[in-house]
Parts: sequence; C-alpha cells; structure tokens
Amino acid sequence: EVQLVETGGGLVQPGKSLKLTCATSGFTFSNAWMDWVRQSPEKQLEWVAQIKDKSNNYATYYAESVKGRFTISRDDSKSSVYLQMNSLKEEDTAIYYCTWVMDAWGQGASVTVSS
Amino acid sequence: DVVLTQTPPTLSATIGQSVSISCRSSQSLLHSNGNTYLHWLLQRPGQSPQLLIYSVSRLESGVPNRFSGSGSGTDFTLKISGVEAEDLGVYYCVQGTHAPWTFGGGTKLELK
Repeated sequence: EVQLVETGGGLVQPGKSLKLTCATSGFTFSNAWMDWVRQSPEKQLEWVAQIKDKSNNYATYYAESVKGRFTISRDDSKSSVYLQMNSLKEEDTAIYYCTWVMDAWGQGASVTVSS
Repeated sequence: DVVLTQTPPTLSATIGQSVSISCRSSQSLLHSNGNTYLHWLLQRPGQSPQLLIYSVSRLESGVPNRFSGSGSGTDFTLKISGVEAEDLGVYYCVQGTHAPWTFGGGTKLELK
C-alpha cells in the first residue's frame, strides 16, 4: 500500500522558517518524481515544487510565488522528500501535501504564518 | 500559466441523479507527445484529494465506473451517472501538460 506522511507543520511568525518532511512507503521512491502542493484556507490548490529522480539529476522546479524562499530536496535512502520554507509570509498559510504524480497524496501538514 | 475554469462552482444533486462538471482550459492540453494530461480529483470532506480519472478518461484503479471523463483540446467533462452519497465533496480538474501543474477552482457536489 502506498503511503505518504507529512510532518513538521505548525504556527510560525512571518519571516521565520519551517521544514516539512514527507515519509513514503509502498512504491519505488528512488524512481519517483515528487511534488508539494498546497491548499489555501479558501480551498484553492496550488502546485509548489517538484523534484525529479537521480536519472534526471534531481532537477527541481518551483512556483514563482515561492522561488528563492523554498527548497525541495530528497533522501532516497529514507524514501523521504522535504520542503524547506524560509522567509515565510502570511500568504504561505495553507495545508501542504506531498504527492506522487497526483496519484497518491499524504494527509497534509498545516502551516500557519501569523504574528 | 494555464488557467482551468470549472463550472458550475456548486452542484446540488439527489441520490441517483446524473451530473456533469465542465473544465475549460486557457490553452490546448494536447501534449507534443500525443497525450493529454488532464486529470480529475475528488476531495471528500476532511480528506486529502484523491485521483479519480487521469489522462482525460482513464479510471484510476478502484474508482466506480459510474464516473467517466471525456473531452479534448480545451474542453473537458466529468460525468457521474447516478450520484451516491460517497460522491459528495469537491471535484478539481488539474493539468500536467504545461508546466507548472495548475488546478481548477473546484466544484462542490452537495445533496439537494
């Protein structure tokens, strides 16, 4: 059974940092392209970042809204993908999901940016 | 970025009724490789999104065949032939043809 479990969410002040972890199982993670998608309080879904596999040189891509502030990474030995979020803004408040090509989704990690 | 426009935003249905949701794209979703990467997600209350249909019309494993998808180019439709209680929630179309992935605004299916 494919499983994705996000951890690391929480309440953080504007300008601060947070790191999300997505631990996976049930599929060949090392070959997988992984994405982070967020859902705003208004329920709109927005793609955030993608990381490809080793054969694609672990290429990374970002939404313009987070470029330069967020970093996606992975550890194939742990079947995990990460999202380092720096210089957080109130508009980054959302539930963050990791997903495997939209086919499998985690339960989400809630991130609230507020003073 | 590609803009996906879903209509209607809200859909009220009775159990057993057939309903359709439209998803229109700001540009053709036909990829140069001949595939069309338009998918449909369902988010039930309190749950994560789940994939229902991929590549316009292909049912994800375990999805009941009362769900069907159709369309091409810029116009796509999700049809539910006989709504059941477990179908209630918000439906999203999502495209992967043109980077970045983009999502429709959602259609909330509720009981009349």
